[in-house]
Amino acid sequence: QKEVEQDPGPLSVPEGAIVSLNCTYSNSAFQYFMWYRQYSRKGPELLMYTYSSGNKEDGRFTAQVDKSSKYISLFIRDSQPSDSATYLCAMSAETSGSRLTFGEGTQLTVNP
Amino acid sequence: SAVISQKPSRDICQRGTSLTIQCQVDSQVTMMFWYRQQPGQSLTLIATANQGSEATYESGFVIDKFPISRPNLTFSTLTVSNMSPEDSSIYLCSVESRDRGYEQYFGPGTRLTVT
Repeated sequence: QKEVEQDPGPLSVPEGAIVSLNCTYSNSAFQYFMWYRQYSRKGPELLMYTYSSGNKEDGRFTAQVDKSSKYISLFIRDSQPSDSATYLCAMSAETSGSRLTFGEGTQLTVNP
Repeated sequence: SAVISQKPSRDICQRGTSLTIQCQVDSQVTMMFWYRQQPGQSLTLIATANQGSEATYESGFVIDKFPISRPNLTFSTLTVSNMSPEDSSIYLCSVESRDRGYEQYFGPGTRLTVT
């Protein structure tokens, strides 16, 4: 069983839709949770970084963590064609110097 | 966030040869990492590049195959040795920034094709 499970999609939505991306994990040692966006032929770009359970909002993006269920989500409001990319969840057990364990990534397309 | 550059951005290499990938950061960072992203797959950590000491390798990766140098706090290299087609992948370096809570930022990657 993979430590981090993420539906690879692909996911296709119309412009303006609310997008929900999810990951589950099995390792209860994970304490830090990240979402990265990766455009084709580019390196991953950090979108959100969270520690505690609950919600964290940044513009059109909301990251949600439920440690009791070992479940994290990323919501994108008012999605735009420029949001079309692969979204990767990542987790680590320690604050510093810890390897990130990534999900497989979900490929998202937002259609104009 | 730190600005990270990698050289080369892409290369096509023959089986049995070696390629050295460079990672340069615009500010001093304590932690640097090397990841591999195989086609259609997610990122896997190869090793942590330690300044002034040997790199720390993850299970399944060995120094003879992936030697790493870290001569200072802004630069690191990863060499892919004795390449085979299975080494065709994107290689990414990342750095840890303590400015905003130990977040990791990635370089643009090096796309390697081994023929």
